[in-house]
Amino acid sequence: GAVVSQHPSRVICKSGTSVKIECRSLDFQATTMFWYRQFPKQSLMLMATSNEGSKATYEQGVEKDKFLINHASLTLSTLTVTSAHPEDSSFYICSAREKGWRGNQPQHFGDGTRLSIL
Amino acid sequence: AQSVTQLDSHVSVSEGTPVLLRCNYSSSYSPSLFWYVQHPNKGLQLLLKYTSAATLVKGINGFEAEFKKSETSFHLTKPSAHMSDAAEYFCVVSERNSGGSNYKLTFGKGTLLTVNP
Repeated sequence: GAVVSQHPSRVICKSGTSVKIECRSLDFQATTMFWYRQFPKQSLMLMATSNEGSKATYEQGVEKDKFLINHASLTLSTLTVTSAHPEDSSFYICSAREKGWRGNQPQHFGDGTRLSIL
Repeated sequence: AQSVTQLDSHVSVSEGTPVLLRCNYSSSYSPSLFWYVQHPNKGLQLLLKYTSAATLVKGINGFEAEFKKSETSFHLTKPSAHMSDAAEYFCVVSERNSGGSNYKLTFGKGTLLTVNP
């Protein structure tokens, strides 16, 4: 089945550090990838949508200069949290749609990254 | 506009007893519906999907769900709960947007299932 690998699974760093999270589709080409944020005991909140080779589309209220997204290839998207602060601590999950995806097909999710900013 | 309501934030059952997780949706068009499971500190794993074929959908790990258009429901069931079923469950709707150019996923708020020995 389609596998999405997200790395790292957990990161702890000091305030002011920039953190990069990678999302890779291992056995399929992902024309579209999504980044979600999940607060404790809550549902997933879509942050942005990235299409390979083009700029990401951010949801309202998400700072694009804070959360940099790059989707340079059909198998890799990265999310960089720039100058992270404690309020950025959260669980970040990526998701991918396969090339040729239709609306009645599921998206594939990574295992998430637990980001903790001290 | 589409929306998803998971009627229970927390469901607790005993091992070996039936599981019922409720989901109601609203949609302007013909939606696709999914149930995902999330174990602690993990991503979402697909349990099953409804895509306008059979209304009773069978998924992995003994789960199934029935699409009832008249009730706008897509409840998730399992005849006998196992300890390993303890997790968070999300009902998700996928619908084409009004412009017809893209699909949007809408997530329910999740239902935490605990299974007691």
